[in-house]
Amino acid sequence: EPEVTQTPSHQVTQMGQEVILRCVPISNHLYFYWYRQILGQKVEFLVSFYNNEISEKSEIFDDQFSVERPDGSNFTLKIRSTKLEDSAMYFCASQFTDYAEQYFGPGTRLTVT
Amino acid sequence: GENVEQHPSTLSVQEGDSAVIKCTYSDSASNYFPWYKQELGKRPQLIIDIRSNVGEKKDQRIAVTLNKTAKHFSLHITETQPEDSAVYFCAAPLFGNEKLTFGTGTRLTIIP
Repeated sequence: EPEVTQTPSHQVTQMGQEVILRCVPISNHLYFYWYRQILGQKVEFLVSFYNNEISEKSEIFDDQFSVERPDGSNFTLKIRSTKLEDSAMYFCASQFTDYAEQYFGPGTRLTVT
Repeated sequence: GENVEQHPSTLSVQEGDSAVIKCTYSDSASNYFPWYKQELGKRPQLIIDIRSNVGEKKDQRIAVTLNKTAKHFSLHITETQPEDSAVYFCAAPLFGNEKLTFGTGTRLTIIP
């Protein structure tokens, strides 16, 4: 069964450094998302991406964040200058069409020190 | 505002008994209601979902009911087993958006 994959599984970085989190969505899916989950809390929406552009972003997704789909398979989240409060689990999700099931990747645990 | 409320936050159930988790949502136009199970350190896994044109859906020991008038939906797990222990999240797309707004989660513990 096809799955969303994410790399790396764990990233440790120093405050102020740039990080890029990578995702490979399910191949025929058209909608892509990044969510984050601070330890012990609920899953929070960051950004949605469709037709090669951002369709919606949350207030968390400020100008330190960016997303890209550099080729036909990868979907990346970049944080330009990480802060301590960016420490969280970041999940990528993909969806075949709007209001269909969203499938989550295994997540990247980002630790900012 | 955009809100999905979930209760209870923790639930302990004797093995073999039933568990019920409830969510309410703020947008009467929402039409898709998934439930996710998240084991410790793992991804949220879709376990069941329901669309607004039906009131109930069942898959073996798991069922979801939807009351559109009251804007709430519930997850029912019958004959609970230790492997049902996890955090369960409800979610809904609100106000015409595809993104999911998640509830705050219910930590379900099955007592052997």
